[in-house]
Amino acid sequence: GAVVSQHPSWVICKSGTSVKIECRSLDFQATTMFWYRQFPKQSLMLMATSNEGSKATYEQGVEKDKFLINHASLTLSTLTVTSAHPEDSSFYICSATPSSGTDTQYFGPGTRLTVL
Amino acid sequence: AQRVTQPEKLLSVFKGAPVELKCNYSYSGSPELFWYVQYSRQRLQLLLRHISRESIKGFTADLNKGETSFHLKKPFAQEEDSAMYYCALLKSGAGKSTFGDGTTLTVKP
Repeated sequence: GAVVSQHPSWVICKSGTSVKIECRSLDFQATTMFWYRQFPKQSLMLMATSNEGSKATYEQGVEKDKFLINHASLTLSTLTVTSAHPEDSSFYICSATPSSGTDTQYFGPGTRLTVL
Repeated sequence: AQRVTQPEKLLSVFKGAPVELKCNYSYSGSPELFWYVQYSRQRLQLLLRHISRESIKGFTADLNKGETSFHLKKPFAQEEDSAMYYCALLKSGAGKSTFGDGTTLTVKP
């Protein structure tokens, strides 16, 4: 089946630093990837839609300069949290939709970010 | 704007009892609905989608456009069904989904 990986699975950083999270589709190509944020025992909040070869589409209220998204290839999207602050601590999940036409989303395992 | 509502944050049933996880939606277009499940310490995964009309792990869900509902049902719950369940609505053409807040199902022995 389709597999999506994320790296790292967890990261702890100091306030003010930047953190990059990778999302890879391992056995399929994904024109579109999505980045979500999940708070404890809460739902997934869509942050942005990552489109290969073009700019990401951000949801209302999400700062595009703070959450930089790059989708450089059909198998890799990266989310960089710039100048991270404690309030950015969260669980970040990506999903990928195969370019083959199905609209099924395959989710990564998530990345736990803790900003001290 | 589309919205997905899961009215129950927590649901607890005994093994062998029927279970129904509620999901209501609002969407002006033609809805495409999904149920996702997240078992403890595992990633979110697709459980079923309404267009396939299939039963997965004994779960079924019927789209009721009149009531704008897509409730998830299983006649006899098992302990291994304990998980977080999310209902999601796919916005046609945009490829992105709106998720409900999720329901934590606990099946007691």
